[in-house]
Amino acid sequence: EDQVTQSPEALRLQEGESSSLNCSYTVSGLRGLFWYRQDPGKGPEFLFTLYSAGEEKEKERLKATLTKKESFLHITAPKPEDSATYLCAVQAARAAGNKLTFGGGTRVLVKP
Amino acid sequence: DGGITQSPKYLFRKEGQNVTLSCEQNLNHDAMYWYRQDPGQGLRLIYYSQIVNDFQKGDIAEGYSVSREKKESFPLTVTSAQKNPTAFYLCASSPGQGDTQYFGPGTRLTVL
Repeated sequence: EDQVTQSPEALRLQEGESSSLNCSYTVSGLRGLFWYRQDPGKGPEFLFTLYSAGEEKEKERLKATLTKKESFLHITAPKPEDSATYLCAVQAARAAGNKLTFGGGTRVLVKP
Repeated sequence: DGGITQSPKYLFRKEGQNVTLSCEQNLNHDAMYWYRQDPGQGLRLIYYSQIVNDFQKGDIAEGYSVSREKKESFPLTVTSAQKNPTAFYLCASSPGQGDTQYFGPGTRLTVL
């Protein structure tokens, strides 16, 4: 069974204080690992897809990396507008219906 | 503007009633999905459809039903058989198999 565990559950940062979020996964053949951002009461917003170990992607202050067992989302010099819940999901190569298996998310609060 | 719309944003239901949640997309995506989100838990797949007039059960389909009569529309009915329907419901779509899933804004259902 595919599993995704995100840590920490919650993270409080001062503006400008860089940090990393962890997404550990077990999957029978990874097709892709996805990062989403979710604001309270809204739907998840797509950030990145990573397909193979060693791959990295960047968008503004966010950088996602992938190994064979985990992915990290690095937030560099965060701003208050980066406050959100960050969701990680994996898609197995043989997932019926392209199912995504999600972790519980990391709630990030950036204080000015 | 292309996107996914869900309605209503908030929905209140009395016990024993069936309710239908709307999901429409104008992205010309073939695949559509319904997920349920509960506090502190990852999103869980309810139903998915990869093509018009075809749909499959996800991990937690009991108490739910769907239809896919048009490419643009994938309504979800929460029946009285669903024992714990209070949750945040998210609709998603993707261009095709294995592609990134994009989410709508969600519908919050509360059973009174």
